[in-house]
Amino acid sequence: NAGVTQTPKFQVLKTGQSMTLQCAQDMNHNSMYWYRQDPGMGLRLIYYSASEGTTDKGEVPNGYNVSRLNKREFSLRLESAAPSQTSVYFCASSGRQGRTGELFFGEGSRLTVL
Amino acid sequence: GQQLNQSPQSMFIQEGEDVSMNCTSSSIFNTWLWYKQDPGEGPVLLIALYKAGELTSNGRLTAQFGITRKDSFLNISASIPSDVGIYFCAGRNFGNEKLTFGTGTRLTIIP
Repeated sequence: NAGVTQTPKFQVLKTGQSMTLQCAQDMNHNSMYWYRQDPGMGLRLIYYSASEGTTDKGEVPNGYNVSRLNKREFSLRLESAAPSQTSVYFCASSGRQGRTGELFFGEGSRLTVL
Repeated sequence: GQQLNQSPQSMFIQEGEDVSMNCTSSSIFNTWLWYKQDPGEGPVLLIALYKAGELTSNGRLTAQFGITRKDSFLNISASIPSDVGIYFCAGRNFGNEKLTFGTGTRLTIIP
């Protein structure tokens, strides 16, 4: 059982380039999330999707777009990367009835913007 | 937005020692959760707490949901090398999809 799978695991971009981080879960969960993790800042929510077809902004959505492609997949796009977006990005999902705080995380995608 | 203050920021202990860490909030939560992150990995859920005053154990780990709903505590007994990592608290309110995470407590075991 793979759980939550993120690709790519590492990426280096130049300022202004675009890229998409992919995430897929095989647990039939309704909710999916994108977080970024920076030193000393903990995990900050970028966007989330409570169900297929819906997306909502989190704490730090500027500079990002998301797509809930289907129930399994939730992608994060950087249209014009900036050095401030250098971070580790985590996708997560949850789906137990009444337990939406119980998140399952992917292994992370480490992005460097030069 | 809600802020979660986690303390201590880091701990250096010897194997076998007990560990205590806590998390406080500026406002109440209905759910408190504790996650652990190993180096190079994503966080993994350790314990979830759903009732004020609740005390829940998971092996050597024990967590409590504070009576005021504004704090939570995590204790680790008889630490072992695999306890090394970063521990995050998180809070959530009913009907809200969003979790608020603390900034983490980094646990290091001194040989």
